[in-house]
Amino acid sequence: RKEVEQDPGPFNVPEGATVAFNCTYSNSASQSFFWYRQDCRKEPKLLMSVYSSGNEDGRFTAQLNRASQYISLLIRDSKLSDSATYLCVVNGGGSYIPTFGRGTSLIVHP
Amino acid sequence: GAGVSQSPSNKVTEKGKDVELRCDPISGHTALYWYRQRLGQGLEFLIYFQGNSAPDKSGLPSDRFSAERTGESVSTLTIQRTQQEDSAVYLCASSFSKDTYGYTFGSGTRLTVV
Repeated sequence: RKEVEQDPGPFNVPEGATVAFNCTYSNSASQSFFWYRQDCRKEPKLLMSVYSSGNEDGRFTAQLNRASQYISLLIRDSKLSDSATYLCVVNGGGSYIPTFGRGTSLIVHP
Repeated sequence: GAGVSQSPSNKVTEKGKDVELRCDPISGHTALYWYRQRLGQGLEFLIYFQGNSAPDKSGLPSDRFSAERTGESVSTLTIQRTQQEDSAVYLCASSFSKDTYGYTFGSGTRLTVV
């Protein structure tokens, strides 16, 4: 089983739609969780950290489910500019090396 | 500096040549990571530095790859006798010791071996 798994997509949604991605992780002792965004031929950029109680940043909501070992990202009112690959990142649990998922591709169309 | 700086941004080299890639992390970031990303693929961990501790080299794919970092400053990744399969974007990231604020990436070095 891969350490961090994501559905590669692509998720093809119209502007204004709500879309959600999940990411599962295998190390139950993991402690840090993040969502990154990567545009084509660009470096990954931090979108948001994921806290145990869940957190929201504008149209973006991240949640952590430790019991089922997954994190989620919800994007409301999708914009064309949200089109990108969303990477799940997990760290901790005996390792200081962040593990990146392969990413989920989102395409928002007019 | 304000961000993680990598150089060169692009490098084309002939098969068999050595290349050196440079990463200048954010000041105050004690942790530094090198990743490789092949076209259309995910990030592949290469090496991790934390302060003056011994680096974690567990991700280096072969002994042709090596990296150095002096203290908490610049790091160089060296690839000897480059092969075509080394063609990829090499990304450097840095963070505080505690990763509460995540990892900041440089814009990468796009290496093409011809």
